[in-house]
Amino acid sequence: GAGVSQSPSNKVTEKGKDVELRCDPISGHTALYWYRQSLGQGLEFLIYFQGNSAPDKSGLPSDRFSAERTGGSVSTLTIQRTQQEDSAVYLCASSLAWGINSPLHFGNGTRLTVT
Amino acid sequence: AQTVTQSQPEMSVQEAETVTLSCTYDTSENNYYLFWYKQPPSRQMILVIRQEAYKQQNATENRFSVNFQKAAKSFSLKISDSQLGDTAMYFCAFMKHVNYGGSQGNLIFGKGTKLSVKP
Repeated sequence: GAGVSQSPSNKVTEKGKDVELRCDPISGHTALYWYRQSLGQGLEFLIYFQGNSAPDKSGLPSDRFSAERTGGSVSTLTIQRTQQEDSAVYLCASSLAWGINSPLHFGNGTRLTVT
Repeated sequence: AQTVTQSQPEMSVQEAETVTLSCTYDTSENNYYLFWYKQPPSRQMILVIRQEAYKQQNATENRFSVNFQKAAKSFSLKISDSQLGDTAMYFCAFMKHVNYGGSQGNLIFGKGTKLSVKP
């Protein structure tokens, strides 16, 4: 596609439910990143994929968070047993390859609201 | 650990005037990169400008330029001839240099400055 696509754009869920957020990177981009943006905060790094593998999961805030990427393309971020503090905008980005000369292209994010 | 500080939560500027957004960072690394990203209401993060720490020359992209002071660990963004479309959140970000296979995507972001350009 023309850009990084994220779905849904907005998601409201009840506390305790599981949610799945989807990211469709730019075609051909091998690197994919997930960030979380809480109200009034900067972006918090969650996880990074190179191809289908995730060499850096250091930012995942708890074991309720997991992510996978299949076929070197689409990625899904899953939050189990959601809590109110999980409410945030979840941003996905992709880049052509590893390296500083491959800038990150961001999607428009998924706004998650946990009630 | 690296930190990025943006001390101005909100700023405003008149259209066509110049505004400077501040950013300071803390790191013990010698090789790193600095970025300014713009986030309009659409929520999409857009790269505005980047600076390699090993370069002494300040980066410039059209109306956007930076004042990079490595010793002071300061990286301010100057927007000249401000336009209404510049209204957005602006984030300063840091990334340390890593060897191949490391986490290129681990950008450390400041909390942002909300810029309003007034007609």
